[in-house]
Amino acid sequence: AQKVTQAQTEISVVEKEDVTLDCVYETRDTTYYLFWYKQPPSGELVFLIRRNSFDEQNEISGRYSWNFQKSTSSFNFTITASQVVDSAVYFCALSEARDKIIFGKGTRLHILP
Amino acid sequence: NAGVTQTPKFQVLKTGQSMTLQCAQDMNHEYMSWYRQDPGMGLRLIHYSVGAGITDQGEVPNGYNVSRSTTEDFPLRLLSAAPSQTSVYFCASGQWGTQYFGPGTRLTVL
Repeated sequence: AQKVTQAQTEISVVEKEDVTLDCVYETRDTTYYLFWYKQPPSGELVFLIRRNSFDEQNEISGRYSWNFQKSTSSFNFTITASQVVDSAVYFCALSEARDKIIFGKGTRLHILP
Repeated sequence: NAGVTQTPKFQVLKTGQSMTLQCAQDMNHEYMSWYRQDPGMGLRLIHYSVGAGITDQGEVPNGYNVSRSTTEDFPLRLLSAAPSQTSVYFCASGQWGTQYFGPGTRLTVL
């Protein structure tokens, strides 16, 4: 069965610091997708990134970067030079079957000014 | 383009009452799903559908029914509401795994 673990329940950092959110997943499939979503204080869920299991290249988008390592079943998310607007709950998610997506419990990130 | 819409935004029910949470999407997505979000529990999958006429159970299906008669609509029915169903409910639709979420329905069962 698929499972996503986000061990960090809550993280606080001072603005401009770098922060990494951890995500570990379990799956028996060789083909799967991994995702990160952001939920700001306003409550909506915002899609950030999708990676498939055949593409282990790290990805960078502005201040955001993602490190996918199949050897450790991890898909970590780093925010560089954090800003107060990055304060949110971040969810990691996994899809084995076609489009059935299971989420981790989320990491609440506080960026302190 | 409205994306994913959910109604109502807020609802208060008494134990034992029934109701339907509405979800609609205008993106012609085959896949739709319902999640509930509770403090400390993340998003848990209730039911999902990979196309009209096809539904399946997620992680926490008990107490909820769904049907998918059209591509656009995926209503979630609570047959006899219980206080344990107090939660925020999100509907989502997508293609190839990426899902787009509605704004959510905050449900309180007294």
